[in-house]
Amino acid sequence: DTGVSQDPRHKITKRGQNVTFRCDPISEHNRLYWYRQTLGQGPEFLTYFQNEAQLEKSRLLSDRFSAERPKGSFSTLEIQRTEQGDSAMYLCASSLGPGTGPLAGGYTFGSGTRLTVV
Amino acid sequence: DQQVKQNSPSLSVQEGRISILNCDYTNSMFDYFLWYKKYPAEGPTFLISISSIKDKNEDGRFTVFLNKSAKHLSLHIVPSQPGDSAVYFCAASGGDMRFGAGTRLTVKP
Repeated sequence: DTGVSQDPRHKITKRGQNVTFRCDPISEHNRLYWYRQTLGQGPEFLTYFQNEAQLEKSRLLSDRFSAERPKGSFSTLEIQRTEQGDSAMYLCASSLGPGTGPLAGGYTFGSGTRLTVV
Repeated sequence: DQQVKQNSPSLSVQEGRISILNCDYTNSMFDYFLWYKKYPAEGPTFLISISSIKDKNEDGRFTVFLNKSAKHLSLHIVPSQPGDSAVYFCAASGGDMRFGAGTRLTVKP
């Protein structure tokens, strides 16, 4: 297992287009998270899944954003009708359980997908 | 709402000296606190964590201190090495994980 994989690494799209990102978590991890990071800021929570169930969504996740994890393995994040303000690094992370606790190692992050909306 | 704050965007220290990175939080319901390290073009990687029931956790050169009454935690790196140069994020968990804005540490040889 090579960790959390995200595809693509970079995406440039025109305003108004739809984009979809993919995340492949560590295989034994049951939780999967999506974060967004803009320049000079820390990762901002968007949503997370436990197995295939989407358990929490941030108010940052507008109606144009949708995430799925259909079989409890990989996940996709779709942004419809992209806006320039959507330009950011989109990070995926996974964990076994909540990722906290004395034996836990936090979340394992992927390298992210950098989205540029022009 | 910024529940986790790192007020120093950057820190520069000399190799061999101590690096102290600070973090403040507002939500008393957080039960775990973590530090992540991030190199350019990579995702954050987990460094060290501490439970809210403890006040100190040490792992090699890295020690995290938690002051619950002040809602403050800090990461001490001693001795600092040039390879420690990275952006360090403080994070707090009470369900989902919230991150600070990060502090860029530069360790000069």
